[in-house]
Amino acid sequence: DIQMTQSPSSLSASVGDRVTITCQASQDISNYLNWYQQKPGKAPKLLIYDASNLETGVPSRFSGSGSGTDFTFTISSLQPEDIATYYCQQYDNLPRTFGQGTKVEIK
Amino acid sequence: EVQLVESGGGLVQPGGSLRLSCAASGFTVSSNYMSWVRQAPGKGLEWVSVIYSGGSTYYADSVKGRFTISRDNSKNTLYLQMNSLRAEDTAVYYCARDSSTFDYWGQGTLVTVSS
Repeated sequence: DIQMTQSPSSLSASVGDRVTITCQASQDISNYLNWYQQKPGKAPKLLIYDASNLETGVPSRFSGSGSGTDFTFTISSLQPEDIATYYCQQYDNLPRTFGQGTKVEIK
Repeated sequence: EVQLVESGGGLVQPGGSLRLSCAASGFTVSSNYMSWVRQAPGKGLEWVSVIYSGGSTYYADSVKGRFTISRDNSKNTLYLQMNSLRAEDTAVYYCARDSSTFDYWGQGTLVTVSS
């Protein structure tokens, strides 16, 4: 199975800050990497697909980059509504696997 | 509009069975890959199973041999039959359209395995 290692597990930042989350795959997954946002009590929401493509309707302050084994998710200017847990997920192989999540809070 | 609505969760004793349903609208289940993803209380996301448009099915090792994914094309509904349930199966179960991205999700249904 492909292991996805996400860091940090949590972070606290101020409104307007740039926030970066990293995700490392245990083997080369090309760009087969998605990012999701999950707010408490809600289903996850797709934000970024194929490592760097913004899902329709998602604000442009969200972005993703990377390929191979190392990936980055960025919020360019943190907003109060961005408080959530963020997950990376690979689809290069079954089983589909997720990172352990990064909980983003406002300082 | 695409919508997925899960049902069938509840409290079940260890060793018991439960069948989850996921009614879809706005697209055809049989023309898409469909997955179940679960989330134990306070934990992360875990993929459980997928059914391909051609009918092939795959499972996480943690549920293989105990869970069965299926669909009813006439009802445009996805199912997850869960047998021999264990305490560690306690989770919110989501169905999701699986186009390699999970682009649409249901609201989730809670399964609690406890005596």
